[in-house]
Amino acid sequence: EAQVTQNPRYLITVTGKKLTVTCSQNMNHEYMSWYRQDPGLGLRQIYYSMNVEVTDKGDVPEGYKVSRKEKRNFPLILESPSPNQTSLYFCASSYSASGANVLTFGAGSRLTVL
Amino acid sequence: GQSLEQPSEVTAVEGAIVQINCTYQTSGFYGLSWYQQHDGGAPTFLSYNGLDGLEETGRFSSFLSRSDSYGYLLLQELQMKDSASYFCAPSGNTPLVFGKGTRLSVIA
Repeated sequence: EAQVTQNPRYLITVTGKKLTVTCSQNMNHEYMSWYRQDPGLGLRQIYYSMNVEVTDKGDVPEGYKVSRKEKRNFPLILESPSPNQTSLYFCASSYSASGANVLTFGAGSRLTVL
Repeated sequence: GQSLEQPSEVTAVEGAIVQINCTYQTSGFYGLSWYQQHDGGAPTFLSYNGLDGLEETGRFSSFLSRSDSYGYLLLQELQMKDSASYFCAPSGNTPLVFGKGTRLSVIA
C-alpha cells in the first residue's frame, strides 16, 4: 500500500531533550515536506526536500533540522525542543514539487514538549 | 512570495450547496489544489485545477480563474461528513504551501 509513515505518532518529552520524528514513503517520490499545524494557524511548512541531499527552509524552520540521505526517508530533528514546538506535525510527499502534484500525508505526529 | 486568502469559517445546512473561495498570489503559478482535513486526521487531496474552468468530481467541483488569481471549491448536496477543514494550495515555482484553511460546519 502506497503510504507515508511517521513515527512516533504521539510523544511527550521535556525541554532540551533531542528527538527525531521519522518519515518514510514507499512511492519513490522526489519531493518531501514537513508541516506543523497549530490551532488557527493552518499548515505551516517547516522544511522541504526536492530530492536526495537537497533540502530548503520553509516558513517556520527555526529550531528544526532535516536530512535527506535517501529518497524514501526525511527525518525531522529537534535538537533542543522547547514548549513552543508543541504541535501536530505532518510529513508529506509527492512525485514532484510543482504541477499537478498530489501530496500524500502521513497520519501525523502529536508532540508535546514540557 | 506567496499569499493566500480563504474564509476562516463557513456554516451550511445539510443538503445545501456551499462555495469556499480562495484568492492567491504566487510566482510562476502552475495550478490550484484543494485538500480536505477532518478533525484528528491528515489532509487528503480533493482536486486540482491546472486550467481555467470547472473540474467536477462527484459532489465536489473546483473552479479556477488564472486572470483573477481566484478559485473556489463547490460542495453540493452537503452531508454531515463534509464537516471538515478545506485548504487551497497554489503550486508555482516554490513548493506547495497551505494557508489557514476554511472550517466548514454542516448543520442539520
